[in-house]
Amino acid sequence: EAEVAQSPRYKITEKSQAVAFWCDPISGHATLYWYRQILGQGPELLVQFQDESVVDDSQLPKDRFSAERLKGVDSTLKIQPAELGDSAMYLCASSPAITGTSGTHNEQFFGPGTRLTVL
Amino acid sequence: AQKITQTQPGMFVQEKEAVTLDCTYDTSDQSYGLFWYKQPSSGEMIFLIYQGSYDEQNATEGRYSLNFQKARKSANLVISASQLGDSAMYFCAMRGTTISNFGNEKLTFGTGTRLTIIP
Repeated sequence: EAEVAQSPRYKITEKSQAVAFWCDPISGHATLYWYRQILGQGPELLVQFQDESVVDDSQLPKDRFSAERLKGVDSTLKIQPAELGDSAMYLCASSPAITGTSGTHNEQFFGPGTRLTVL
Repeated sequence: AQKITQTQPGMFVQEKEAVTLDCTYDTSDQSYGLFWYKQPSSGEMIFLIYQGSYDEQNATEGRYSLNFQKARKSANLVISASQLGDSAMYFCAMRGTTISNFGNEKLTFGTGTRLTIIP
């Protein structure tokens, strides 16, 4: 069964260092999402891509976070410099299309996540 | 703005019993979708069930059913005949209208309920 791949699974870094996370969505999925989940809370959307274009990055802290999906397939999320408050689980998800165009409810399929610890 | 409220931080249920996890929502959208996800300790989010705001029937998927009461803005998840493998965090989530905001598939999550099944 097709899955969303993420790497690394775990990352420990010191504050002020740069970190990068990688995500490979399910083949054929046009929409890709990055969520951040702080311990004890639900995931919060950071950025949504439709193919290679950003649809929503209103919650992405753009002074230190960047995300790209250059060829409309895999994606990278970067933090530079990392801060203590960035410690969280970073989840990538993908969905087939846009609601209403695919005839389905377009649920999002999540990867295993990258657990980031900033010391 | 959309908001999901899950008022049960934790629940303990005897194996084979049914359990209801509460979810209330707030939105001004006329069209929206409601999702339930399961998050085991390994971290990945697993899609369980979906209910559209215009769906007349309550959604069912195997042992999962959704008790949708639109006037009360509630979308409770019912798990029948609970199993040890059901122990996990459960999140309710909402996707707002994609009619006026075409292409924005953002999910807004609640804070989750930790379900523990007792043998």
